Amino acid sequence: SQQGEEDPQALSIQEGENATMNCSYKTSINNLQWYRQNSGRGLVHLILIRSNEREKHSGRLRVTLDTSKKSSSLLITASRAADTASYFCATSAGNTGKLIFGQGTTLQVKP
Amino acid sequence: EPEVTQTPSHQVTQMGQEVILRCVPISNHLYFYWYRQILGQKVEFLVSFYNNEISEKSEIFDDQFSVERPDGSNFTLKIRSTKLEDSAMYFCASSVSGGLNTGELFFGEGSRLTVL
Repeated sequence: SQQGEEDPQALSIQEGENATMNCSYKTSINNLQWYRQNSGRGLVHLILIRSNEREKHSGRLRVTLDTSKKSSSLLITASRAADTASYFCATSAGNTGKLIFGQGTTLQVKP
Repeated sequence: EPEVTQTPSHQVTQMGQEVILRCVPISNHLYFYWYRQILGQKVEFLVSFYNNEISEKSEIFDDQFSVERPDGSNFTLKIRSTKLEDSAMYFCASSVSGGLNTGELFFGEGSRLTVL
């Protein structure tokens, strides 16, 4: 299996706090992507980090990638109640474009 | 903003019946995918499609499954004889780039399939 684990499985924080989610994978990758899914909805792309990049920022999101440890982290700063959702990492490897998703982290941000 | 649209949003069917799930990818996208998500579980890859042929399929995508792009806009997933374990949310996705340069996938809102 290409994909490993995400942790934590569930995270509950107060509004304004930071949320950190981690993702591990097993094989070499082309890139790693993070997606968000509100309950019962489709997945929305958040950020993509290529295998030769170590850190990337987008608004309140910060993603790191450590290819030596085959791991990535997603940091959401100054969280809001609207950030409540499930967050999935997904790795792209090979040459067919498929993404392999992790188990996801369910984030609850309390107002 | 362009979006991927899927129909139906929910379909209930009897075991053994054929089901066709439909998707309209974003118009200038060239790569198309189907994923599924059993309730409470992770998103699983089913199949990728490019240049009118399957690029890759997973073990889940057995002979009961097929995909088709019958015209320039629709992308369909057919399940010939549904089983109880096919009950899931099925997501269609499309992307501009693929292969080694796969970028952001745009997902539809999903079609929930319930097999009774």
